[in-house]
Amino acid sequence: SAVISQKPSRDICQRGTSLTIQCQVDSQVTMMFWYRQQPGQSLTLIATANQGSEATYESGFVIDKFPISRPNLTFSTLTVSNMSPEDSSIYLCSVSPAFFGQGTRLTVV
Amino acid sequence: GIQVEQSPPDLILQEGANSTLRCNFSDSVNNLQWFHQNPWGQLINLFYIPSGTKQNGRLSATTVATERYSLLYISSSQTTDSGVYFCAVASSAGGTSYGKLTFGQGTILTVHP
Repeated sequence: SAVISQKPSRDICQRGTSLTIQCQVDSQVTMMFWYRQQPGQSLTLIATANQGSEATYESGFVIDKFPISRPNLTFSTLTVSNMSPEDSSIYLCSVSPAFFGQGTRLTVV
Repeated sequence: GIQVEQSPPDLILQEGANSTLRCNFSDSVNNLQWFHQNPWGQLINLFYIPSGTKQNGRLSATTVATERYSLLYISSSQTTDSGVYFCAVASSAGGTSYGKLTFGQGTILTVHP
C-alpha cells in the first residue's frame, strides 16, 4: 500500500485567484492521478501525471486551467487557476492501483 | 469510454439489516475497486476485486468479469456504514493504466439506529 499526504485539506479562495494543491507519496510511483469531485457528484479524472513528461488531460480539462507539475517520483502539484465558484469541489490525488489522498475541499467565493 | 452504472442510487436501512449494492460496467476491466466515502469526504478503499470473491468482516464483494458486474454485500449494517459507496473501474482496452479509474455515480446508504 501507499500513504498519500495532500495539502491543504481545505481552503476558501477568492474568485480570480489560483490555488496549488500538493500531493506527497511515501514511495516512488510512475503515475499519479488527479480527480475532481463536484458537490453531490461522483469523481472525474482530470489528468494523469508522469514524472519527466507533460501531464495527459482528460476531455473537458485543459492545462491552462489545471497546470500540473511532477518534479520527481514522489510528488505532484495541481493548480486550479483563475478560480470561479464553479471550481468549488473536492480535489483528490491517487496512485495505482487506487490509493487516494485525503482530498482538498475547495470553496471559491 | 467505459460506462459504470450503480444501483440502487439510494438505500435506507435499519441497523442490523443486510444489503446488496450492484455495479455494472460496459467493457473488460483490469481493475475494479469498491470505495466508501464518509461524511467528511475521505475515500476509503474497501476492495480491489477485478474478479472473484473477497470478504473483510461484515463486507464481501463478488465480481463476475465475464458478465461485467460486481456486487458489494453489507451484512448486519451499522450506522457507521452510512455514506456513499462507489464502484470504480479501469478498462483493459488499449493498454489503459489500471490506475486510471472511471467511477460510477455511487449508492447513498443511510443506516438508521
